[in-house]
Amino acid sequence: DSGVTQTPKHLITATGQRVTLRCSPRSGDLSVYWYQQSLDQGLQFLIQYYNGEERAKGNILERFSAQQFPDLHSELNLSSLELGDSALYFCASSPGDSRNTIYFGEGSWLTVV
Amino acid sequence: DAKTTQPNSMESNEEEPVHLPCNHSTISGTDYIHWYRQLPSQGPEYVIHGLTSNVNNRMASLAIAEDRKSSTLILHRATLRDAAVYYCILESNAGGTSYGKLTFGQGTILTVHP
Repeated sequence: DSGVTQTPKHLITATGQRVTLRCSPRSGDLSVYWYQQSLDQGLQFLIQYYNGEERAKGNILERFSAQQFPDLHSELNLSSLELGDSALYFCASSPGDSRNTIYFGEGSWLTVV
Repeated sequence: DAKTTQPNSMESNEEEPVHLPCNHSTISGTDYIHWYRQLPSQGPEYVIHGLTSNVNNRMASLAIAEDRKSSTLILHRATLRDAAVYYCILESNAGGTSYGKLTFGQGTILTVHP
């Protein structure tokens, strides 16, 4: 158990819909990262927040957005869902914004039908 | 970002050592070498990282070539629980870089036979 909690674990939704994935980082960790893992693209970095502020952006679609709240939990919002958005979405956390071990959650399986 | 090359798959027997190679010929002087692994149905898990010197921890050892163009992750005694996808990742130390922005490749699928 990494200490990173993600909900929901599984989610099935229809195309065009909007979903929110939630992440609680390890106690005390200020940085939260979101990654997407799909069969064709592998593991891809989406976005990082550090203490409530966006710190780095990766290959995140404009239909996707994220935020980190004052209590440090984070949400990833996926809208206008397409079949290709079906993937495993991981949240990870680390203590700060310098070189630390990154701890990953168990992921949220999203299936778009 | 500098790229890494790993074999698609490797096999090992339980209780034997495993050497997982990684080539990174375009590594820059400040890039750190990280290894993560992903067990089935789980998120990636940190294994080890290093810059120039060989590193040891309770999970594994990391041997880094003198020219830093390659490295080897060593599992001293493989167990069935070590069956996973192992990722070799270069982390840039360039100014302004996010330290959590890891670029995962395809990794090496390690199969451990009883």
